[in-house]
Amino acid sequence: DVKVTQSSRYLVKRTGEKVFLECVQDMDHENMFWYRQDPGLGLRLIYFSYDVKMKEKGDIPEGYSVSREKKERFSLILESASTNQTSMYLCASLNSGNQPQHFGDGTRLSIL
Amino acid sequence: QKEVEQNSGPLSVPEGAIASLNCTYSDRGSQSFFWYRQYSGKSPELIMFIYSNGDKEDGRFTAQLNKASQYVSLLIRDSQPSDSATYLCAMNSNSGYALNFGKGTSLLVTP
Repeated sequence: DVKVTQSSRYLVKRTGEKVFLECVQDMDHENMFWYRQDPGLGLRLIYFSYDVKMKEKGDIPEGYSVSREKKERFSLILESASTNQTSMYLCASLNSGNQPQHFGDGTRLSIL
Repeated sequence: QKEVEQNSGPLSVPEGAIASLNCTYSDRGSQSFFWYRQYSGKSPELIMFIYSNGDKEDGRFTAQLNKASQYVSLLIRDSQPSDSATYLCAMNSNSGYALNFGKGTSLLVTP
């Protein structure tokens, strides 16, 4: 089975802090994704990566950046956290082709 | 804008009945279609995927796809209280592997 591991289930940070969310997958997948999920808004794509050191903006990239230095790890960075970034963050991965994405357990991030 | 529409519900069905969840989409380039189940506070888990027009069955679940009419549905037979969750419809297109998600339908199966 595919295993996607997010470093924290719950995280509390302060406004203005730089926040790192880590995601690791163990299936040598090429593609990795970061979403956020908010009530009434569904899942929205922040960034994705289709290869090491490659990244593409999703629908809501403002205020975020990403890093993919190794194939198995995809990091989401909140450069200067704000309260409107309080959300559930979900990482996913998939191999090439029209295969399903596999999700990690999610990180519930609160910015105070 | 690629729209994926789902009725938010809640859809309430009695235990043992068939639950029918529907999804319509606007992007005719959509190639692959997925249904995820999400329990409250948890991450989405894959239920089924379908690529071709018609029906695909897996246990109590049947996915139906009609590309001409741009809808995809999920039938759950013999619904159980443990099926109570939010069901997310998602699809990608030939422009990449990123998924477009609907906002989900909340299903409540009552004993």
